[in-house]
Amino acid sequence: NAGVTQTPKFRILKIGQSMTLQCTQDMNHNYMYWYRQDPGMGLKLIYYSVGAGITDKGEVPNGYNVSRSTTEDFPLRLELAAPSQTSVYFCASSRQGDAYEQYFGPGTRLTVT
Amino acid sequence: KNEVEQSPQNLTAQEGEFITINCSYSVGISALHWLQQHPGGGIVSLFMLSSGKKKHGRLIATINIQEKHSSLHITASHPRDSAVYICAVGRTSGSRLTFGEGTQLTVNP
Repeated sequence: NAGVTQTPKFRILKIGQSMTLQCTQDMNHNYMYWYRQDPGMGLKLIYYSVGAGITDKGEVPNGYNVSRSTTEDFPLRLELAAPSQTSVYFCASSRQGDAYEQYFGPGTRLTVT
Repeated sequence: KNEVEQSPQNLTAQEGEFITINCSYSVGISALHWLQQHPGGGIVSLFMLSSGKKKHGRLIATINIQEKHSSLHITASHPRDSAVYICAVGRTSGSRLTFGEGTQLTVNP
């Protein structure tokens, strides 16, 4: 099993550009999450999904969109990138909810200039 | 005040020392997680516990539900233990985790 994979690993965007961060898991997990981690700060939840076709906002959803058309994939869309979105983004999955172990992807380091 | 507080923020130890990292939380929880973030950035789950104590190799995690407190202990610390250790809690009502800000551990040879 590859676990949770994310692409790209690194990206530099100009202000106002858009991009999609890809996340795929091969563990047949129902729950998937997108987090951002700013330097010296804890992980903040952007969006999460409890199954295909179901998504919900986390703590910091503004400026992002998600979709979950399959169990495996949970892409994160950035529209009109802003410098405040410079961060490291982690995708994670778990079999069920917060009482189950979360498996993390390797992260995407995004810089918006 | 954050719902999950970790202490200390930074910890430097000599190889072989016994390490303790603390986590306090202020909400009702279904489970508490300890995670390790390597210097390269990857995050792995170390423990998930809802009561008592768990041990894996040199790592021990304990939780006191009444006091809303958990500790992560590392025995015979080694430089390869150098990492950020993150505490996270799952609420009784939810499907997502709330994270502490992490403890940066450096173990010197």
